[in-house]
Amino acid sequence: EPEVTQTPSHQVTQMGQEVILRCVPISNHLYFYWYRQILGQKVEFLVSFYNNEISEKSEIFDDQFSVERPDGSNFTLKIRSTKLEDSAMYFCASKERTGEGSWQFFGPGTRLTVL
Amino acid sequence: GEDVEQSLFLSVREGDSSVINCTYTDSSSTYLYWYKQEPGAGLQLLTYIFSNMDMKQDQRLTVLLNKKDKHLSLRIADTQTGDSAIYFCAESDRNAGNMLTFGGGTRLMVKP
Repeated sequence: EPEVTQTPSHQVTQMGQEVILRCVPISNHLYFYWYRQILGQKVEFLVSFYNNEISEKSEIFDDQFSVERPDGSNFTLKIRSTKLEDSAMYFCASKERTGEGSWQFFGPGTRLTVL
Repeated sequence: GEDVEQSLFLSVREGDSSVINCTYTDSSSTYLYWYKQEPGAGLQLLTYIFSNMDMKQDQRLTVLLNKKDKHLSLRIADTQTGDSAIYFCAESDRNAGNMLTFGGGTRLMVKP
């Protein structure tokens, strides 16, 4: 069964460093998403991406964040200068199409620890 | 903004039924979902219900939707130890680009 994959599974970084979290969505999917879950808190929407551009973003997704689909298979989330409060589990998701019968498939997540 | 709330914890005995409840505030919710998260794994979609339905059954899973009270429940019949996980309720609004708004998750513990 096709699945969304994410690498790395765990990333440790120093405050102020740049990190890139990588995702490979399911191959025929057109809609891509990033969510995060700070420990003990709810899963929060960050950004959605369709047709090579951001379609929606939350208040969390400020200028420190960016997304890219560099090569038609990968979907990346970059945090330019990490802060302690960026420590969280980051989930990538993809969806084939919009409308009924199409739902978001999630990857296993990348745990980001900022020291 | 939209809010989705769930109770934190539920403990049942193997073979009993489990009922996990969820309330939401967005009256324009289009779809409501139940996701399951096992330790170290991602969010696995269990089932979903369209907002114009009031019930959906899929094998051991029954979803009930009370749109008037904005209440969603997931019933798992004949609960097994393998059902132990965190269950997330989520809603999406067609007008909001189909982003998902999640509840905090209910940890289901199944005792043998």
